[in-house]
Amino acid sequence: SQQGEEDPQALSIQEGENATMNCSYKTSINNLQWYRQNSGRGLVHLILIRSNEREKHSGRLRVTLDTSKKSSSLLITASRAADTASYFCATVANSGGSNYKLTFGKGTLLTVNP
Amino acid sequence: SQTIHQWPATLVQPVGSPLSLECTVEGTSNPNLYWYRQAAGRGLQLLFYSVGIGQISSEVPQNLSASRPQDRQFILSSKKLLLSDSGFYLCAWSGAGGSLQPQHFGDGTRLSIL
Repeated sequence: SQQGEEDPQALSIQEGENATMNCSYKTSINNLQWYRQNSGRGLVHLILIRSNEREKHSGRLRVTLDTSKKSSSLLITASRAADTASYFCATVANSGGSNYKLTFGKGTLLTVNP
Repeated sequence: SQTIHQWPATLVQPVGSPLSLECTVEGTSNPNLYWYRQAAGRGLQLLFYSVGIGQISSEVPQNLSASRPQDRQFILSSKKLLLSDSGFYLCAWSGAGGSLQPQHFGDGTRLSIL
C-alpha cells in the first residue's frame, strides 16, 4: 500500500514562479526522500531529509518535514521549463533487521510553462 | 561512477508468453537491488528486492518471479504473462547497509501485453 500521498496531483505554473508540492504519510519513518521522474524515464533522487531534521536545502530545492503532522513539502524556487516532471515523495522505514524499504506516493505532475 | 542498465526499453508480448527482463549494475559491489512496477499515473509498487546473490524477497503475490544469479545482475521473469502484467518496470540499486542510501533507477522497460 502507498505510504506517501502527494498533493496536488497536478500543478501548472509559469516559468519563474515557485512550485510547492506536499506529501503526507501515515506511519513512523526513518527518513523521507524526494524523487523526480521525467516522462518515460527512471526516477532521479533529489534530496533526503532525516526524521530529526526540519528543513533542508539543495540549490533551488527546499524540503521541510513535520513529523508531528506526518507531512513534508518540496519547494522549487524560480522554476524553469526544464523542471517539468513528476515529483514523488518516498518514506523510508525499517523492514526488518538492517533492511529499509522505500514506499512511494502517486506523485505530483508539475508543468512549468515558458 | 556507478551505472545501471535495463533492457529492453520497450516490449510487446502476447498473453501467455514468457518474460525475462534484465538489469545490471556497474561500478559498485554488493548493491541492494529492486524491481518496481509503475502503472499509468500512479506511484511505484515494490515487487522484489535483493540484498545478496540468491536472496530474493517478494513484496506482493503475483505472476512474476525474480532472480539474482550474480552480484550485479537482477532478472525479472514470468512463465505466462497476463494482461494485468502490463506496465512500466523499473530496476533500482542502492548501497548496502543503512537507511540513508538513495535509490538509483534505470530507465525502465515499458511492457505491453496484447
